Amino acid sequence: NAGVMQNPRHLVRRRGQEARLRCSPMKGHSHVYWYRQLPEEGLKFMVYLQKENIIDESGMPKERFSAEFPKEGPSILRIQQVVRGDSAAYFCASSPPVIYRGRTYGYTFGSGTRLTVV
Amino acid sequence: AQTVTQSQPEMSVQEAETVTLSCTYDTSENNYYLFWYKQPPSRQMILVIRQEAYKQQNATENRFSVNFQKAAKSFSLKISDSQLGDTAMYFCAFIVQVNRDDKIIFGKGTRLHILP
Repeated sequence: NAGVMQNPRHLVRRRGQEARLRCSPMKGHSHVYWYRQLPEEGLKFMVYLQKENIIDESGMPKERFSAEFPKEGPSILRIQQVVRGDSAAYFCASSPPVIYRGRTYGYTFGSGTRLTVV
Repeated sequence: AQTVTQSQPEMSVQEAETVTLSCTYDTSENNYYLFWYKQPPSRQMILVIRQEAYKQQNATENRFSVNFQKAAKSFSLKISDSQLGDTAMYFCAFIVQVNRDDKIIFGKGTRLHILP
């Protein structure tokens, strides 16, 4: 029973390039969350998705950032025209549907993707 | 707005000692879950302990226990008999309700060093 899988683990991009971060949730989990962690900071919520649906994107920058969770395949966080300030660790977490969460509730996190913009 | 505050950016204790990490939060809701997550140097986020707000009894997981004071909106983590492997960032977090779509809010973390 694999956990949340994120790839790549490390990603280096030059300014102006595009970064694509992938997240495969745990088996049976239909909800995906993306968080960003700047150096020496906590995790800041970015976006919450279900299959083919964005539930909450209140933490996403309005420009250059987008996220999707298609019917088939992993969730993708896409950053266009990256800048130095985008350098951070990006974490994906997953959870089961609301009705199944119960008392054991808590996200399962992936190991993160460290994005470095040079 | 819901917020989580961890007032201790960094702490150090000797191995085998007991250490308490503080956390306060703010919400107008009555039902919520509270969590402590550990992030070792490997960067993996590991759930340490959870507490349901409607339960008065403090949660315990082996050497980890919490002091949950709902009226004061305080949720501290106590680590007993600390071990070198406890060295990590510790994040306090909460989610307002689990029976509706919402997201976990994290504090900025406390960096804990266990000294040999």
